[in-house]
Amino acid sequence: GQQVMQIPQYQHVQEGEDFTTYCNSSTTLSNIQWYKQRPGGHPVFLIQLVKSGEVKKQKRLTFQFGEAKKNSSLHITATQTTDVGTYFCAGLNTNAGKSTFGDGTTLTVKP
Amino acid sequence: DSGVTKTPKHLITATGQRVTLRCSPRSGDLSVYWYQQSLDQGLQFLIQYYNGEERAKGNILERFSAQQFPDLHSELNLSSLELGDSALYFCASSVNNYGYTFGSGTRLTVV
Repeated sequence: GQQVMQIPQYQHVQEGEDFTTYCNSSTTLSNIQWYKQRPGGHPVFLIQLVKSGEVKKQKRLTFQFGEAKKNSSLHITATQTTDVGTYFCAGLNTNAGKSTFGDGTTLTVKP
Repeated sequence: DSGVTKTPKHLITATGQRVTLRCSPRSGDLSVYWYQQSLDQGLQFLIQYYNGEERAKGNILERFSAQQFPDLHSELNLSSLELGDSALYFCASSVNNYGYTFGSGTRLTVV
């Protein structure tokens, strides 16, 4: 079945440093979604990418979808303590009818 | 409030018992998804319903079952509970797989 791998599993950064998490799918995706889960909270939808090579920005967050639509990345510039949490990607394979979540990258930010 | 309502927030029960988790999707969403998240783990997909019918099945144990009712609310039944079933259980809803809206989750503790 479809697999979505996400790296790294954990990332510890100093406040102000940049952070990137990568997502790779074993199959071509129809779209990819990104979620953030704060400690003790539930996943919250951040964004969806659909087009090959698409890049979207949300303030300090930059999301990219690969040309082959099999990989994606989330980059945070100048991290802040409010960025802490686990970031999940979720890839949709239309044949599967549902999105498959990666295992997430847990970000901690040291003030 | 995410719009996906889910009850209850915390559950403590003994091994061998049965519990039922309930979820109402966000208004207008036809799909309901159930996920299990163990401590420091990713989101494990259990099952999906779409407009009352089972759409996709993940690694859901035979001791677990679910259904979606005509009013679109869904129930996840967990029976013969074991210590290893202790986890966070999330319900999510969506329209056409765009941007899952997660409920706040139920923390199940089996003692």
